[in-house]
Amino acid sequence: GAVVSQHPSWVICKSGTSVKIECRSLDFQATTMFWYRQFPKQSLMLMATSNEGSKATYEQGVEKDKFLINHASLTLSTLTVTSAHPEDSSFYICSADPGTSGTYEQYFGPGTRLTVT
Amino acid sequence: SQKIEQNSEALNIQEGKTATLTCNYTNYSPAYLQWYRQDPGRGPVFLLLIRENEKEKRKERLKVTFDTTLKQSLFHITASQPADSATYLCALDPSGGYQKVTFGTGTKLQVIP
Repeated sequence: GAVVSQHPSWVICKSGTSVKIECRSLDFQATTMFWYRQFPKQSLMLMATSNEGSKATYEQGVEKDKFLINHASLTLSTLTVTSAHPEDSSFYICSADPGTSGTYEQYFGPGTRLTVT
Repeated sequence: SQKIEQNSEALNIQEGKTATLTCNYTNYSPAYLQWYRQDPGRGPVFLLLIRENEKEKRKERLKVTFDTTLKQSLFHITASQPADSATYLCALDPSGGYQKVTFGTGTKLQVIP
């Protein structure tokens, strides 16, 4: 149980274009999902917290107009990287909180490797 | 500023031995400390959580200790196997609410057959 999927697993796009990444909880509902970014040999950095039916909460330094997050249902959150640039190339990982009382586990997706050329 | 330190150098260990990974932190008072496993090109997988009022937690071949005085957690894998080779991340959670969960950079473990 508690499986999170991401699509696509990797994507290459040209500078200036937009890319959408989907995060789905397959066997549970998640009112809260999280988006992380990980650069090579660095730790996961929380970008934003996505709440179903409301606006996402962005971490300091993360441009909300550049990284658009939509949490339209209890099983789907999307991250759109708008006007992507080579410095946006990274590994993007989402996680979901099943909200089970008394547990504090995050379930992570497999990640999406974004390369901007 | 808050800082989490994990040994950035890879840890090589012989199969069957106990692997011990260290997570040190400063300027932080976590309510929970978590350990994750991450394989190359994959998302982290949750392993264990230990609360600030717990000294030790075990799960099968895994053991985690948490010393809030030393500001340190140790992660042990006993009877290590080549399949245990991965990067192990510690993560500090101040409240269980995820809002400010902070991850370390991880330690790469290589178990040699």
